[in-house]
Amino acid sequence: EVQLVESGGGLVQPGGSLRLSCAGSGFTFSTYWMTWVRQAPGKGLEWVANLNQDGSEKYYVDSVKGRFTISRDNAKNSVYLQMDSLRAEDTAVYYCARINVAARPWGQGTLVTVSS
Amino acid sequence: DIVMTQSPDSLAVSLGERATINCKSSQSVLYNSNKKNYLAWYQQKPGQPPKLLIYWASTRESGVPDRFSGSGSGTDFTLTISSLQAEDVAVYYCQQYYNTPRWTFGQGTKVEIK
Repeated sequence: EVQLVESGGGLVQPGGSLRLSCAGSGFTFSTYWMTWVRQAPGKGLEWVANLNQDGSEKYYVDSVKGRFTISRDNAKNSVYLQMDSLRAEDTAVYYCARINVAARPWGQGTLVTVSS
Repeated sequence: DIVMTQSPDSLAVSLGERATINCKSSQSVLYNSNKKNYLAWYQQKPGQPPKLLIYWASTRESGVPDRFSGSGSGTDFTLTISSLQAEDVAVYYCQQYYNTPRWTFGQGTKVEIK
């Protein structure tokens, strides 16, 4: 069974940093693009970042460029999202997903709260 | 960026009746070389992550009931639930991947039981 499990969320102060992790299993992780999508409380879905198979191509939504970094470790079947200079508006559930034409499947998500 | 606009924002449908959700893109998501529309639909039930329902605008994901169907081309798309069931209460999102790897989602449409 294909499975994705996110971790690393929590409460952080504005300006702080957090690193999210997403562990994949049940598929050949190194052959797929991966994505992070977030959902602010009570709001819709917002694409955050995509990463190709070997980690050489990274793409971000404009609102996180220069602050967030997506990366992966294929030996550990994991993708990461390093989030720096966090703002209140980054508060959201962060989902990782495998890209196979579209996003499928999705992890359960991890909540990031940016507040003083 | 390609802007995706869904309508309506919410709708209430009686059990067994048809539900129709529209999605309009600010530019065509039809790739002329392969004649495919780079459009997906997702379902998100309360407290759950999104789940892929439809891709290439009309291809149903494995395991998705056939009461769900997608149609449209170019800039105008529709997700239809032919006979609404109680378990279909959810928020539905369209998403373009024409501009891959930069994606955009519609704002979502909430489907409830009347």
